[in-house]
Amino acid sequence: DTEVTQTPKHLVMGMTNKKSLKCEQHMGHRAMYWYKQKAKKPPELMFVYSYEKLSINESVPSRFSPECPNSSLLNLHLHALQPEDSALYLCASSQGFYREGYEQYFGPGTRLTVT
Amino acid sequence: AQKVTQAQTEISVVEKEDVTLDCVYETRDTTYYLFWYKQPPSGELVFLIRRNSFDEQNEISGRYSWNFQKSTSSFNFTITASQVVDSAVYFCALGDNQGGKLIFGQGTELSVKP
Repeated sequence: DTEVTQTPKHLVMGMTNKKSLKCEQHMGHRAMYWYKQKAKKPPELMFVYSYEKLSINESVPSRFSPECPNSSLLNLHLHALQPEDSALYLCASSQGFYREGYEQYFGPGTRLTVT
Repeated sequence: AQKVTQAQTEISVVEKEDVTLDCVYETRDTTYYLFWYKQPPSGELVFLIRRNSFDEQNEISGRYSWNFQKSTSSFNFTITASQVVDSAVYFCALGDNQGGKLIFGQGTELSVKP
């Protein structure tokens, strides 16, 4: 089973709201990722967690705050977003780190609209 | 610098035609991994294949086949007898040896018409 689940599927929020995106995997994967994808563009890496510790932050604005409560869960807390943050947010996981050649498995994404 | 180029932005074919999606990569690493992902309109990226730099054997999986040629730094993907369900955006990606990052090409949007 190579399933990564994400909730919610769609989210509309105002610029002053606080919301959270949730990602879950039960494959025993030790690395988890957040990506942002704009229309007609490839995914852009935001954060990488390895063994529940943040290992990569791709200079993402502080209005995005990741959290990894345990090895199966990954959250992305959103606060004071801008309309340009509207995008598809994808979560992924992999058995190990890239250097070992492990592929990433992606969830269905959360389509976020900031009004 | 590491880079992936998918020169074909959009391809349109009629069902049952064969189609090849091109992928050219740049890297100075001697050990690296290449990937293909499919993204249907629903949005989820679906993993298709991983290839490491030491394995130049071509791979076939049903109607899908991949041609990896280190001499030309290419990792092309062919769909034989295309079907409407193959309509999607296909991404080629190169793994970054410095960390967990995937370097994606710009993607090729394939449209298969009945």
